[in-house]
Amino acid sequence: DAGVIQSPRHEVTEMGQEVTLRCKPISGHNSLFWYRQTMMRGLELLIYFNNNVPIDDSGMPEDRFSAKMPNASFSTLKIQPSEPRDSAVYFCASSPDGTPYGYTFGSGTRLTVV
Amino acid sequence: GESVGLHLPTLSVQEGDNSIINCAYSNSASDYFIWYKQESGKGPQFIIDIRSNMDKRQGQRVTVLLNKTVKHLSLQIAATQPGDSAVYFCAEKGSGGSNYKLTFGKGTLLTVNP
Repeated sequence: DAGVIQSPRHEVTEMGQEVTLRCKPISGHNSLFWYRQTMMRGLELLIYFNNNVPIDDSGMPEDRFSAKMPNASFSTLKIQPSEPRDSAVYFCASSPDGTPYGYTFGSGTRLTVV
Repeated sequence: GESVGLHLPTLSVQEGDNSIINCAYSNSASDYFIWYKQESGKGPQFIIDIRSNMDKRQGQRVTVLLNKTVKHLSLQIAATQPGDSAVYFCAEKGSGGSNYKLTFGKGTLLTVNP
């Protein structure tokens, strides 16, 4: 199993630009999570999908952030327009059944907004 | 030790020593806890978990202790090796309608000196 696959691994962009982060969950997992990690706030849940449907997006910072899951094998997190304070590492995780049992994280995307 | 919401503490040990990393959790209703290891540039990796009906669980070189009375978790690593150097996070599973959610501590940086 290739695990949770995220791309790109690193992204450097200018303030105001659109950024799209991508995630492929583990095959057969029906739940997908986007987390953001910063030194100040640690790991924070942004959004949770179950069977491709957003269940909890209460962690999404503001309207500049949006996430989609068009099918069971792909999800995107988009920031438009990006700001320097969005600089962080963004992780995608998947689990077999919506519970933390079997949670698996991807390697993350390090985003730098200059 | 660490607690959800505090700055990142550090622990430095000599190779071969035993390491103890502590964590205070907040939700007395949580019934499941996980320890993760995060190496530089990688996503959090599952180490060991414990359910609330247990006080202790052992893995290979690692032991997790749970004290529900004081809402405290600890991770013990025996015969610490340089490859154990990483940030270690505890996470607690949400309860009720939030049972999909993991709340992470800020982490403890473990440095193993050869």
